[in-house]
Amino acid sequence: DAGVIQSPRHEVTEMGQEVTLRCKPISGHDYLFWYRQTMMRGLELLIYFNNNVPIDDSGMPEDRFSAKMPNASFSTLKIQPSEPRDSAVYFCASRDGRGGFEQYFGPGTRLTVT
Amino acid sequence: GENVEQHPSTLSVQEGDSAVIKCTYSDSASNYFPWYKQELGKRPQLIIDIRSNVGEKKDQRIAVTLNKTAKHFSLHITETQPEDSAVYFCAASKSQGNLIFGKGTKLSVKP
Repeated sequence: DAGVIQSPRHEVTEMGQEVTLRCKPISGHDYLFWYRQTMMRGLELLIYFNNNVPIDDSGMPEDRFSAKMPNASFSTLKIQPSEPRDSAVYFCASRDGRGGFEQYFGPGTRLTVT
Repeated sequence: GENVEQHPSTLSVQEGDSAVIKCTYSDSASNYFPWYKQELGKRPQLIIDIRSNVGEKKDQRIAVTLNKTAKHFSLHITETQPEDSAVYFCAASKSQGNLIFGKGTKLSVKP
């Protein structure tokens, strides 16, 4: 299995631009999570999906952030417009709800907003 | 909601010594407590986990203990090696699976 796949691995953009981060979960996993990691705030859950349905988006910082999961194999996290304080590493993780509770993390996307 | 506190934030030990990292949680309904290791520039990876029906779990040099009454759990690493140097995160979760992470402990093992 290829594991959780994220793209791009690095993204540098200017303030005000739209940013789209992509995630492909492990095949067969029915839970998908988006996290943000910064030095100041640590690992924060932004949103998670179960069977492609958003279950909890209380961690999404503001309306500039949106996430979708159009099918079981793909999810996006969009920031529009981006701001310098959005600079962070964004991780996607997936879990098989039929098995244990382990979440498998993707390699992350390092976002820099200048 | 759940809140997870982790201590210490940094820990330095000599190779071969033991390391202990402690976490407390606030929600008595939490029932799953994983520990993740994150090396520099890499993704978090699960190293050990424990469920609330178990008090202790061991896997070679690492062990986790859970005290449900006090709502705290700890990670123990024995015979530390330089490759154990990383940031370690504890987390707590209820059965639906959204993990709440502690702020992390940077462990340095000096040869």
